[in-house]
Amino acid sequence: AQSVTQPDIHITVSEGASLELRCNYSYGATPYLFWYVQSPGQGLQLLLKYFSGDTLVQGIKGFEAEFKRSQSSFNLRKPSVHWSDAAEYFCAVGATNTGNQFYFGTGTSLTVIP
Amino acid sequence: GAVVSQHPSRVICKSGTSVKIECRSLDFQATTMFWYRQFPKQSLMLMATSNEGSKATYEQGVEKDKFLINHASLTLSTLTVTSAHPEDSSFYICSAQEVRDTYTDTQYFGPGTRLTVL
Repeated sequence: AQSVTQPDIHITVSEGASLELRCNYSYGATPYLFWYVQSPGQGLQLLLKYFSGDTLVQGIKGFEAEFKRSQSSFNLRKPSVHWSDAAEYFCAVGATNTGNQFYFGTGTSLTVIP
Repeated sequence: GAVVSQHPSRVICKSGTSVKIECRSLDFQATTMFWYRQFPKQSLMLMATSNEGSKATYEQGVEKDKFLINHASLTLSTLTVTSAHPEDSSFYICSAQEVRDTYTDTQYFGPGTRLTVL
């Protein structure tokens, strides 16, 4: 069965520091992978996605993610965090063979301290 | 591009009443729309998948008679919470999938609707 694990429930980083949010997935075929960000009381905004090709994916707001098949991971990174990056981050796996259903991780809450 | 709107953004209703939430894809056509429910500090739970012109597919445990979904056009889907009760209070989020992106599965999310049932 498909599943997504985000091991870190909450992360605190200092502004300007680097960031890595972890995401591991379980899926039988090549997955479609996504990272979304959700600000308080808001919907989800797509940061980046991976379908195929280059395993290092660039997204908006300076984020990138690397697909590692051998580790079943799709970790999100940013070299220098800004205070406005404080939000909830969700990793998701898309599965075309189940009606395009998305499986979401439980999310990682990011706090940025000055 | 790929903007999804929801209306209303926030609604408060009395127990026993019905509430309709609209989800619109503003600048693209969506063959498929999804409805999610999110509890505080939790992930999104898929409630149902709706395809334009056909009946919605509900996830296990979601009452189809309570959560009525209509996908009347390629740009509009509605979720009606019938006979709402306090336990239905939640954050409801819709997403829409572009026609051209059916293969690639990108979903674009609306801003959500906060439902409070008194």
